[in-house]
Amino acid sequence: DTGVSQDPRHKITKRGQNVTFRCDPISEHNRLYWYRQTLGQGPEFLTYFQNEAQLEKSRLLSDRFSAERPKGSFSTLEIQRTEQGDSAMYLCASSVMGLNQETQYFGPGTRLLVL
Amino acid sequence: GENVEQHPSTLSVQEGDSAVIKCTYSDSASNYFPWYKQELGKGPQLIIDIRSNVGEKKDQRIAVTLNKTAKHFSLHITETQPEDSAVYFCAAPSTKGGKLIFGQGTELSVKP
Repeated sequence: DTGVSQDPRHKITKRGQNVTFRCDPISEHNRLYWYRQTLGQGPEFLTYFQNEAQLEKSRLLSDRFSAERPKGSFSTLEIQRTEQGDSAMYLCASSVMGLNQETQYFGPGTRLLVL
Repeated sequence: GENVEQHPSTLSVQEGDSAVIKCTYSDSASNYFPWYKQELGKGPQLIIDIRSNVGEKKDQRIAVTLNKTAKHFSLHITETQPEDSAVYFCAAPSTKGGKLIFGQGTELSVKP
């Protein structure tokens, strides 16, 4: 158990609906990452935070996606007007950045199915 | 590095045999190389990592080797067991921030 938790673990929604996922990182980890993983592929980076600041967003992150980490602890990822192509596993990882070194630990993921 | 290539995509071995998975990366500035194991329906689990100041690291039946000149690193699993069956991913950090660039994954099957 890495200590990163995600909720919900599974989500089924209809096309056009909005969904929100939550990630709770390991305590005192200052960096939090979101990745997306489709079947048979490795995780692909979406965005990351250092404390409450969102430092980078992938071009994969369309304007329908938004992420927040308001107090530098948990984070939420919202997808508006979901499309079938959004079906994937959404993974969260956290790390502590120190001495220019970090190790990312992943949560169990949220599997999204858009019908 | 910005590009990570991993092979083979599938690997089947008999219990007790060794398994080797190889990755190459493109960015010579990369200095950290983790390996993750992912079981069906679960998130990736870090199993071993290596930093560029060493050429090899071992943890019980698992070892990782790094060749910075050739820009490749490998995962070695000895005395494989059925519970080693999973998908394994290599990764390297992007030089633009802390995100990881993952390989395509290797599905390892250990037959009893």
